[in-house]
Amino acid sequence: NAGVTQTPKFQVLKTGQSMTLQCAQDMNHNSMYWYRQDPGMGLRLIYYSASEGTTDKGEVPNGYNVSRLNKREFSLRLESAAPSQTSVYFCASSEEAGIWYEQYFGPGTRLTVT
Amino acid sequence: AQSVTQLGSHVSVSEGALVLLRCNYSSSVPPYLFWYVQYPNQGLQLLLKYTSAATLVKGINGFEAEFKKSETSFHLTKPSAHMSDAAEYFCAVSTTSGTYKYIFGTGTRLKVLA
Repeated sequence: NAGVTQTPKFQVLKTGQSMTLQCAQDMNHNSMYWYRQDPGMGLRLIYYSASEGTTDKGEVPNGYNVSRLNKREFSLRLESAAPSQTSVYFCASSEEAGIWYEQYFGPGTRLTVT
Repeated sequence: AQSVTQLGSHVSVSEGALVLLRCNYSSSVPPYLFWYVQYPNQGLQLLLKYTSAATLVKGINGFEAEFKKSETSFHLTKPSAHMSDAAEYFCAVSTTSGTYKYIFGTGTRLKVLA
């Protein structure tokens, strides 16, 4: 039982390049999330998927797109990377999107955009 | 609007001393409150959560937190710090006020001195 896995662990992009961050969970959770973590700002929600087939914007969605590929997988795409997107990205999942559910986090992807 | 404030971005304690990490929340509806811990280069993991069943909540690794509605606080404590407690701690509030909300604080980095 691997929990939540993310690939890659590290990535360096040049401004304007695109990339997709992959996330998968093996806990049969319905809900999945993408956060970014920046120093002094905590975690901010980019997008979430309450259930397979649905996605919704979070607090900071601009510059990102997501795909809920199936129940297990939720990817985050940067179409044209900008230096402001340098951050640590975390994927998380929960049994449901209800407010009382614990979220389980992956180990993160450290992205640098030059 | 819901929010959470963590006082002190860095806290240092001596090994064996009391740990107190502060969290205040703002919510127009009864909140669910969480404390998460993040060890270096890892994702977040749940320490404990308040879901209105009891105001004093016990979590893993000897941590506990008390929900005080009159003070809108949910401070995290541990009677005796251990070197392994050195990590970053995040308070989070989750409410439904029309839409799904799960908001993290900016984090407090705990340093334990030998």
